[in-house]
Amino acid sequence: DSGVTQTPKHLITATGQRVTLRCSPRSGDLSVYWYQQSLDQGLQFLIQYYNGEERAKGNILERFSAQQFPDLHSELNLSSLELGDSALYFCASSPRTDNYEQYFGPGTRLTVT
Amino acid sequence: TQLLEQSPQFLSIQEGENLTVYCNSSSVFSSLQWYRQEPGEGPVLLVTVVTGGEVKKLKRLTFQFGDARKDSSLHITAAQPGDTGLYLCAGADSNYQLIWGAGTKLIIKP
Repeated sequence: DSGVTQTPKHLITATGQRVTLRCSPRSGDLSVYWYQQSLDQGLQFLIQYYNGEERAKGNILERFSAQQFPDLHSELNLSSLELGDSALYFCASSPRTDNYEQYFGPGTRLTVT
Repeated sequence: TQLLEQSPQFLSIQEGENLTVYCNSSSVFSSLQWYRQEPGEGPVLLVTVVTGGEVKKLKRLTFQFGDARKDSSLHITAAQPGDTGLYLCAGADSNYQLIWGAGTKLIIKP
């Protein structure tokens, strides 16, 4: 158990809908990262937050947005969902901002039908 | 654009055999991490190497960081079915952003 929690574990929704994925980092970790992993693909970095502020952006679509709250939990919002958005979405946390080591949650499996 | 190339992409071997997987780049990294991911689960950090030429051992797994800090290898001795998984390497660039490899999918057959 990494100490990172993600909810929900599974999510099935229809095209055009909007969903919110939630992540609670390890106790004391200030950085939160979001990743997308499609079937049999590597990890695609989406976005990083550090202590409530956006720190780095990867290949995140404009339909996607995220935020980190004062209690350090984070939410990833996915809107106008398309079939191609079906994937595993992982959250990771780190005590530092420099990506030294990341601890991953169990992921949310999103299926768009 | 910095890239980390992992090879082979896929490897299937018998229990008890030895294997080496590679993580190569033309760029220098301040540190490099190896993760193992099992199907449907999040990656788990195995090791971080920081110094050029550094060798770290984790039971039957040996990790080496290249002298120039551009590449790394993972050697598994006497592979076990429990070693099955996707092995990912990730390098931290000068801006401390992680560059991820696409992974080596390893299957150890009993």
